Amino acid sequence: GAGVSQSPSNKVTEKGKDVELRCDPISGHTALYWYRQRLGQGLEFLIYFQGNSAPDKSGLPSDRFSAERTGESVSTLTIQRTQQEDSAVYLCASSRTSGGERQYFGPGTRLTVL
Amino acid sequence: GENVEQHPSTLSVQEGDSAVIKCTYSDSASNYFPWYKQELGKRPQLIIDIRSNVGEKKDQRIAVTLNKTAKHFSLHITETQPEDSAVYFCAASLPQGAQKLVFGQGTRLTINP
Repeated sequence: GAGVSQSPSNKVTEKGKDVELRCDPISGHTALYWYRQRLGQGLEFLIYFQGNSAPDKSGLPSDRFSAERTGESVSTLTIQRTQQEDSAVYLCASSRTSGGERQYFGPGTRLTVL
Repeated sequence: GENVEQHPSTLSVQEGDSAVIKCTYSDSASNYFPWYKQELGKRPQLIIDIRSNVGEKKDQRIAVTLNKTAKHFSLHITETQPEDSAVYFCAASLPQGAQKLVFGQGTRLTINP
């Protein structure tokens, strides 16, 4: 079936604006993860969903970041009052269940804050 | 929390030679260790993974070894080809209750023809 999809693929915004990033996981995958990848860096965990609950929000860098998930489907990551340091690729991954299952990544959203 | 260190940060090998990338982790409770390959501008692709009840796993030219006592694991690529050029990331995951992957900083592998 289809893999993980994300939209938009690219987003350019002005400092101070809010942005919303979307992730569609693989159908039937109950676990969903958001990661951030700065240019030339590794992947930094942001938040994890099991179903529509978020047991681990420990990676969210500030209260400007929030995320929601509808059931075992779409998730949105919202960044309020964007700052230049928020510029990065935001990657979403899903897995069949949680607990050491293989995670499959989407293509990412490249966010540029001017 | 878990911390993963990856070495080297860059690696250049001649086509046909072998490449080895090493990672160490800090939390002895970690039990799942995947490796991802990321080509420029593309998403990370899972290439091989190993669980803590296994010491070695092989898939064609790619193998991963795990030493739980020393808390390190390694990726081995044999008979390297130009299409193996990419950034490789190791990761570690704790068991139930903490599902996130903690990634190493990546190794840029270049295969010279």
